[in-house]
Amino acid sequence: NAGVTQTPKFRVLKTGQSMTLLCAQDMNHEYMYWYRQDPGMGLRLIHYSVGEGTTAKGEVPDGYNVSRLKKQNFLLGLESAAPSQTSVYFCASSPGRGASSYNEQFFGPGTRLTVL
Amino acid sequence: GENVEQHPSTLSVQEGDSAVIKCTYSDSASNYFPWYKQELGKRPQLIIDIRSNVGEKKDQRIAVTLNKTAKHFSLHITETQPEDSAVYFCAASRGGSGYSTLTFGKGTMLLVSP
Repeated sequence: NAGVTQTPKFRVLKTGQSMTLLCAQDMNHEYMYWYRQDPGMGLRLIHYSVGEGTTAKGEVPDGYNVSRLKKQNFLLGLESAAPSQTSVYFCASSPGRGASSYNEQFFGPGTRLTVL
Repeated sequence: GENVEQHPSTLSVQEGDSAVIKCTYSDSASNYFPWYKQELGKRPQLIIDIRSNVGEKKDQRIAVTLNKTAKHFSLHITETQPEDSAVYFCAASRGGSGYSTLTFGKGTMLLVSP
């Protein structure tokens, strides 16, 4: 199993450009998450999903949109990138309610995004 | 919402010493407390977790203690080794019935010198 994968690994954008980050998991997990990690700030939740077709806002959702059209994929979109969105983005998944380890989150390798 | 404070932000120890990282949380309904380790340039990985019906949990050289009354929990690493050098994050969640997201502390950079 590949676990949680993310594409791309690195990306440089100019201010105002748009892009989509793709997260995929092959563990049949119900829940998926997008975090951003900035120096000294820990991991902050952007958006999350508790099932196919459902999404919810996290702590820092402004400037981002998400979609979960398929259970195994969770997309994070930036419609008009800003320098403040320069960060490392991590996707994670967890089994979901009903599983004994439903709380444990498995992280992807991250995407390093720079907005100039 | 939940707020998790983590201390210290950096910790330097000599190989073989013990290391302790402490976290406090604000939501008395939180009942799941994981610890993640993130090596430089890598993804966070779960190393140990504890639920509120347990006061202490051990796994080889690492242990976590929980004081629900005081709303704090700690990570203890004994006989530290250079490969323990990493950033450690604590987190808290309600878990249980319904669904709640994890709230992370800001991390502790642990440096173990040979």
